[in-house]
Amino acid sequence: EVQLVESGGGLVQPGGSLRLSCAASGFIFSSYWMSWVRQAPGKGLEWVANIKQDGSEKYFVDSVKGRFTISRDNAKNSLFLQMNSLRAEDTAVYYCVRELRQHLVLEYWGQGTLVTVSS
Amino acid sequence: DIQMTQSPSSLSASVGDRVTITCRASQSISSYLNWYQQKPGKAPKLLIYAASSLQSGVPSRFSGSGSGTDFTLTISSLQPEDFATYYCQQSYGASWTFGQGTKVEIK
Repeated sequence: EVQLVESGGGLVQPGGSLRLSCAASGFIFSSYWMSWVRQAPGKGLEWVANIKQDGSEKYFVDSVKGRFTISRDNAKNSLFLQMNSLRAEDTAVYYCVRELRQHLVLEYWGQGTLVTVSS
Repeated sequence: DIQMTQSPSSLSASVGDRVTITCRASQSISSYLNWYQQKPGKAPKLLIYAASSLQSGVPSRFSGSGSGTDFTLTISSLQPEDFATYYCQQSYGASWTFGQGTKVEIK
């Protein structure tokens, strides 16, 4: 069974940093593109970033470029999102998602971790 | 960036009704269009990919159609468990975007 478990969320002050982690199991992690998607409280979904199987390609939504980085450790079946220079508008539940690249779709979703940026 | 516009933003329907949600892209996206269902407090769930392909395990009352800029999600006979918010999402190009969502409520 595919499992994606996010961790690392919490309360952080504006301008601060946070690192999210996603532990993957139930599939061959190194064979899949992975994404982060976020959802502000009471709002819609926003794709944030994704990363190729070997980490050689990474893409970001414009609003986080230069502030967020995405990485992975295939030996530890883990995905990361390093978030720097955080703003109030980054407050959201962050989901770790496995892609099905053949169809360019967000196939399996974790349950999410809440990041709150506030003073 | 490609903008995705869903309509309506919300609708009220009864069990057994046929429901149609539309999604329009700001430019042609071929068939790179996916649909997700989200229930309160839960992660989204993939329903339809590549505009019209049903994800494994999804009931056949869900269907998708369209290509280019205009797409539809249809629920042929609404069931109690279908009351949720539905999102379209384009995967054309490197930066992906979602529609704003359509909330399907009980009439």
